[in-house]
Order: sequence, then C-alpha cells, then structure tokens
Amino acid sequence: SQQGEEDPQALSIQEGENATMNCSYKTSINNLQWYRQNSGRGLVHLILIRSNEREKHSGRLRVTLDTSKKSSSLLITASRAADTASYFCATVNDNQGGKLIFGQGTELSVKP
Amino acid sequence: DVKVTQSSRYLVKRTGEKVFLECVQDMDHENMFWYRQDPGLGLRLIYFSYDVKMKEKGDIPEGYSVSREKKERFSLILESASTNQTSMYLCASSLRTVIFEQFFGPGTRLTVL
Repeated sequence: SQQGEEDPQALSIQEGENATMNCSYKTSINNLQWYRQNSGRGLVHLILIRSNEREKHSGRLRVTLDTSKKSSSLLITASRAADTASYFCATVNDNQGGKLIFGQGTELSVKP
Repeated sequence: DVKVTQSSRYLVKRTGEKVFLECVQDMDHENMFWYRQDPGLGLRLIYFSYDVKMKEKGDIPEGYSVSREKKERFSLILESASTNQTSMYLCASSLRTVIFEQFFGPGTRLTVL
C-alpha cells in the first residue's frame, strides 16, 4: 500500500530557481527518506530524517518534517539541469519491519 | 561504494515462460527487496528477505516467488510470465536496522509478449 503522497506530481522550473516538493503520509513513522530516480534508472538515496528531527540539510538539499501534520518537504536550492529527475519520499514505520513505503513521486524538470 | 547489480537491463519473454531475475549486492547487507515500478502506481514491494533462506511477502506477491540461498544474492522468479507482469523491476538491499537507507540496482525492464 502506498503511504507517501507527493505534491506536485510534476514541476517545471528554470535553472537557478528553487524547487519544493511535498510529501504527506498517514501513519506514525520511524523515519522518512527521499530518493531520486533518473529516467529509466534505479533510485538513489538522498537524505534521511528521523521522526524526532525537524530539519536536515545536505548540500543544496533541505528537508523538513512535521510529524503533527504527517508531512515533509524537500527543497532543492539553486537548481541545475542535472537535477531533472523523479523524486520519491518513502516512510519507514516501526511496525512494518523496516520496509520502505514509497509515494508516487514528483517529476522535476529543470530547464537550462 | 555499495553496489547492487541486476542480471539484465532489458529482458523480453513470452507468455508462460519461467523468468529469473537475479540481484547481487556486495556490501554484506542482511535485507534485500524486490519492487516493481509502474506508471501511476509508484514502487510496490513484491517480496523481501531479512536473511539467507528467509522470505516475506510484500504487497503484491501473487505470480512471483523468490530465492535467497546466499546472503549476497536474491532472485525473483516469475513462474509463468503474463503480460501484466511487464514492468520495471528494481532490487534493493540495506542493513538490518530500520534506520538505514536502501541501495538500489539499476533495474530490469521486463517485457512479456
């Protein structure tokens, strides 16, 4: 079953702009992870945020987590054409034995 | 670097054939997973394994089986391929604890004619 729901489904921006993607989920989580997938390839892990954390940074990525609203956001600052990809959030629940539950993804297009 | 490899990038099979998809990881990870990815449906978990010879059903196990005879290798088997199993298949591995990320292979795009 899909728990994470990303919003928007597709996003098109110009190089240099910031891109924000949102993810909502339904049950309590142990952690939330963001992955990136280039067209036709496997997924690559970007960042993990634990349920007791509110914000995390990694390079041009900033992730926030609001457990009261059961939502997370991924911000990519100063986007580049190479950031063009699909982005997925995935949640890990305490009672799911470590399984990741993925959302359907946001397709980001960064135009040069 | 963790490396997860899958036996084929592209595969074309006929309805009714038995299909084997192989996945190998080189980082001594306990957990291994098989997903399928379809447009509009996202990634769905087929089977996973926490240890050698152990397997657990995911969300959509029907029509599939798995084998994990060695820690580094996790095979997905389509007993009798059908056209609705045409999909992208992704293998992943992770350390046992829940707080670590999964590492994915490049995927196998399977077409069943």
